[in-house]
Order: sequence, then structure tokens, then C-alpha cells
Amino acid sequence: NAGVMQNPRHLVRRRGQEARLRCSPMKGHSHVYWYRQLPEEGLKFMVYLQKENIIDESGMPKERFSAEFPKEGPSILRIQQVVRGDSAAYFCASSPSQGSGELFFGEGSRLTVL
Amino acid sequence: KNQVEQSPQSLIILEGKNCTLQCNYTVSPFSNLRWYKQDTGRGPVSLTIMTFSENTKSNGRYTATLDADTKQSSLHITASQLSDSASYICVVTQHGSGAGSYQLTFGKGTKLSVIP
Repeated sequence: NAGVMQNPRHLVRRRGQEARLRCSPMKGHSHVYWYRQLPEEGLKFMVYLQKENIIDESGMPKERFSAEFPKEGPSILRIQQVVRGDSAAYFCASSPSQGSGELFFGEGSRLTVL
Repeated sequence: KNQVEQSPQSLIILEGKNCTLQCNYTVSPFSNLRWYKQDTGRGPVSLTIMTFSENTKSNGRYTATLDADTKQSSLHITASQLSDSASYICVVTQHGSGAGSYQLTFGKGTKLSVIP
């Protein structure tokens, strides 16, 4: 049973380009969460999605950032017109249900903006 | 404001020694508290999860305690090994109502280095 899969593990973009980060939850999990971690900082909640629905995006910047979790395929976190401040590790986690008590994290995608 | 404070920020111990990491939180209303281990460059891995009614929970050489009255938790590591070198993150879940209220507050972590 594969865990949460994230790709790419490392991504380098120049300012102004777009970054797309993918997350495939664990089999049987329909809840996906995205977090951002800056160096020496704790993980910060960005967005919570269920299949085809954004449940809570209160932690995600209103501009340039978007997330989706389509009926088929992985969840995608999209960052348009990246800036250097977007450089961070982006973690995806999944759970079988809301409030199940357990989150399973992926290995993260490390974005570097030059 | 919901906050999770961890101490110490970093810790160096000799292999075989014990250590205790602290976590204080102000998250309310409280749902549960988790401890995660995060190796450098990897994703967090769950060690324990504790609800309001649980005072102690063990997972091998890891023992977590929770005092919901004082809003404090600790993670005790026994007979440390080199592989215990990692960041240990305390995470508190806020209890809410309805969809979208599943909010976690993460501490910044304690960076533990176990040296031979």
C-alpha cells in the first residue's frame, strides 16, 4: 500500500514562471491537505480538499495560488508567477476522513525560485 | 490566537541517553495532540496521537504525556539512538464544527541531535 506520493521532489523555477506540485493520497483516502514549510519554521496550513471540492482554503494566499483535487488523478497545487518568497517545502497529507485523527504526509516538494 | 510552543529549540545528547521534549499550547477548543518525527528532507511521520482523556501513550522508546489542564505535553525518548536525530514536531488539532474546521497548529519543532 503506497503512501502519499508527491512529485516532483525538487522543482526549480525562475521568477514569473508557474509551479505545479502534485499529490496522490494514500489508497482509500479522500481528504487531502497542503502545508507549506519555510526553513526553521513550522508547517503552515494552506488548503483542505475533498474530491472535487475545496473545503477550506483559509491558509492559501488569494492571489497566484490555487488548488484542485479532481475526481480522477492527483491533487494539484498551482503557483502562478512565482516569486522568491514562494521558495519552501510544500507537504501534502491525506486522511481517510475528516477528524479521523491521523494524517499521513508525503515526502514534500521543495520549490526553489531563482 | 492558537499557538504551539516547543522547547528546547535544539538539543544535543549522547547516544544511549534519555531526553524529554516539551510542548505548550493555547489551542482551544482542544481535540487532540500529536507528535511527529521529521527527518531532514523528509515528511513528518506520526509517533503518537492523544485525545483529551489520555495522559500517557507509548510507542516503543517514545512516551508522550498530556496534561490538558495545564495545556502541556512532553515527549520522552529512552535510550536514544543515532537514528533518533530529527526534528520532533508537536501538533494540536482544534475541535470545530462542520466541514472545513479541521485545523492543525504546528509547533516549530525541536531539533534533536544524537551523537556517538
